[in-house]
Amino acid sequence: AAGVIQSPRHLIKEKRETATLKCYPIPRHDTVYWYQQGPGQDPQFLISFYEKMQSDKGSIPDRFSAQQFSDYHSELNMSSLELGDSALYFCASSPDPEGEQFFGPGTRLTVL
Amino acid sequence: QKEVEQDPGPLSVPEGAIVSLNCTYSNSAFQYFMWYRQYSRKGPELLMYTYSSGNKEDGRFTAQVDKSSKYISLFIRDSQPSDSATYLCAMISFAGGTSYGKLTFGQGTILTVHP
Repeated sequence: AAGVIQSPRHLIKEKRETATLKCYPIPRHDTVYWYQQGPGQDPQFLISFYEKMQSDKGSIPDRFSAQQFSDYHSELNMSSLELGDSALYFCASSPDPEGEQFFGPGTRLTVL
Repeated sequence: QKEVEQDPGPLSVPEGAIVSLNCTYSNSAFQYFMWYRQYSRKGPELLMYTYSSGNKEDGRFTAQVDKSSKYISLFIRDSQPSDSATYLCAMISFAGGTSYGKLTFGQGTILTVHP
């Protein structure tokens, strides 16, 4: 069965640089969520989209922005990167806002 | 205090043991409950999804929800070394009558099943 695809899987950036993370949801899933997981931490909700509109926002810094495109894939843009942004970033997709959320393999971002 | 509390463990059991993992929560708005398994450096894998009080069984896994006590559990029967992972409980709440769908996680329990 098709799963959530995330790219890139690993990303190394310098401080103050910009990063773009991509997420391709499971086919026919119109809801996408982004989570950040620091070392030894549980995933923290960043932002979500339903039918290409932002549906909820969590503890996402103003330096981050995201959108969902017409083909339902989503991109998380991160600017002015800080050391503390180093983490695993997961995308999850769901057939609807109340449905099961299926996670992708994650993007490991390292900021040097 | 976190909205969802989970025993962090670590938990170490022999192969074949019954494992009990637990979470408590404080927000009565939580309506949907999930259990995820996460291997090191991998994405969380959905194990169980429930929305009503009672038990739900799937193979060796049983999810139990008690909304009156704000308590959920995951039982693993006949545990295997391949079950060694971090187990995360997660919940979805309704806010103002609208479901936003964001998951609130427990801290995770590290489980090791040794042969």
